[in-house]
Amino acid sequence: NAGVTQTPKFRVLKTGQSMTLLCAQDMNHEYMYWYRQDPGMGLRLIHYSVGEGTTAKGEVPDGYNVSRLKKQNFLLGLESAAPSQTSVYFCASSYEGVLAGRETQYFGPGTRLLVL
Amino acid sequence: GQNIDQPTEMTATEGAIVQINCTYQTSGFNGLFWYQQHAGEAPTFLSYNVLDGLEEKGRFSSFLSRSKGYSYLLLKELQMKDSASYLCAVLDSNYQLIWGAGTKLIIKP
Repeated sequence: NAGVTQTPKFRVLKTGQSMTLLCAQDMNHEYMYWYRQDPGMGLRLIHYSVGEGTTAKGEVPDGYNVSRLKKQNFLLGLESAAPSQTSVYFCASSYEGVLAGRETQYFGPGTRLLVL
Repeated sequence: GQNIDQPTEMTATEGAIVQINCTYQTSGFNGLFWYQQHAGEAPTFLSYNVLDGLEEKGRFSSFLSRSKGYSYLLLKELQMKDSASYLCAVLDSNYQLIWGAGTKLIIKP
C-alpha cells in the first residue's frame, strides 16, 4: 500500500502561471481533503470531497479549484498563481470522514510550492 | 471566532516527561485530535478524545476537559525521535477540523 501520494513534491511558479497538484490514495477512502500549511498557522482546509464526483469549499477556497473524477484521485488547481499561495500543500484522506470518531485522516507527504 | 491555542515551542530533556497544552474556543465540539509532525513530513495521528478523561497509548497520553475547553498531550520517557511538532485539532459543530498552529518540541540529550 502506497497510502496517500502527492505529485509533485516541489514546484516553483511565476505569478500568473497555472498548475495542478495531484493526490492519489489506494485505501479506497471516500473522503479526501486539501490543506495548506503556513508558518505560525494551523492547517487550513481549502476544499474537500465526500465521494467521487463531489467537492465542497473549505475555509480558504479562493484562488483554487478541485476535481474528484475518480474515487482515488483528488486534483487541486491553481488557475493564476499568486505569491500569497506560496505554501506547503497537504492532501489527506479518510474512510468515513472524521464523523467516525477514531477514524483518522491519512496525510500525503506534501507539495512545497513557491510562487515568485 | 474559533480559536485553538498551543505554546509555540517547548524544550525537554531525553528521558523526562513533557506536557503540551491545548485550549480551544470553537462553535461546538465533536472531538479533539492530536497529531505528530516531524519537520518536512506529513502529520500522523496520535490520539482522539471525545469524552472527558485520560486516554493512554504507550508512552503517550491525552487528556480532555470539555467544560474547560482544555486538553493536554503527555509524553513520557522522552526519546530524541520525539522531537517534532504536535498539532491539536478540534472537530466543531459543522464537523470541520479546526487546527492549532502546533507546538514544536525540542528534545535535548
